[in-house]
Amino acid sequence: EVQLVESGGGLVKPGGSLRLSCVDSGFTLSTSYMNWVRQAPGRGLEWVSCISTSSTHIYYADSVKGRFTISRDNAKNSLYLQMNSLRAEDTAVYYCAGDSGSTDYGMDAWGQGTTVTVSS
Amino acid sequence: DIQMTQSPSSVSASVGDRVAITCRASQGISSWLAWYQKKPGKAPKLLIYGASTLQSGVPSRFSGSGSGTDFTLTISSLQPEDFASYYCQQTSNFPRTFGQGTKVEFK
Repeated sequence: EVQLVESGGGLVKPGGSLRLSCVDSGFTLSTSYMNWVRQAPGRGLEWVSCISTSSTHIYYADSVKGRFTISRDNAKNSLYLQMNSLRAEDTAVYYCAGDSGSTDYGMDAWGQGTTVTVSS
Repeated sequence: DIQMTQSPSSVSASVGDRVAITCRASQGISSWLAWYQKKPGKAPKLLIYGASTLQSGVPSRFSGSGSGTDFTLTISSLQPEDFASYYCQQTSNFPRTFGQGTKVEFK
C-alpha cells in the first residue's frame, strides 16, 4: 500500500526556490506514475506535473513550465519537485499523488500535503 | 489543452437527497475521466475512474456515467459525510486538467 508523506514546504520570498519531497513508506512508489497537484487558498485543484515510473516521460502545467522540475529516486522511494522563480500565485498546498496503474490514470494514493507560501 | 467545465459550482442539499454533478470536456475523452472528493484540510480522495468504475472502498451511493464529452457524478442518497467539494479530472491527455469543482453544501 502506498503511504505518501510530503515535506519541504515553507515561507519563501518571490523569486526564491524550494524543493519539495515525497516519500512512500509503502515501498510501491517505484511502480507508480507520480504527480504533484496543488490547491491555492480558496481555489480548486490544479494538476502541476507528472513523471513516469522510469522518468522517461515528464509533463508540466503551462503555469509552472520552465520554473519547476519534477524528479524521482526509485531506490529511495522518493519524489521531488524543485521550484524556482517562485511567484505569489504559487502559494498553495502541494500534494504528491500516485497512480498505481489499475485506475485508468486516476490518482488513488495521496499525501497529506505540504504548504508553500510565497510572500515578501 | 482540454478544458473541463463542471456544473453547478455549488449545490445546497439535505441528507437523503439525490445529487447530480455534471462535467463537460472541451473535446472527446472517451471514458478517461476521474472524480475526486475533497474535504477542507484533507487530501483528495479518488471516487470513480474510467468514468464509471467505483474505486475500492467507496460507497455504492456514488456512481458515474457518461463518455465522450459529457459526464455525471451522482450521489443517490446524500449522507452527512458527503458534504464536500467534488472535482472531475480528464486522464486522457496531458496536462491533466481538473474541473473547477462543485461544493455540496447543507441546505
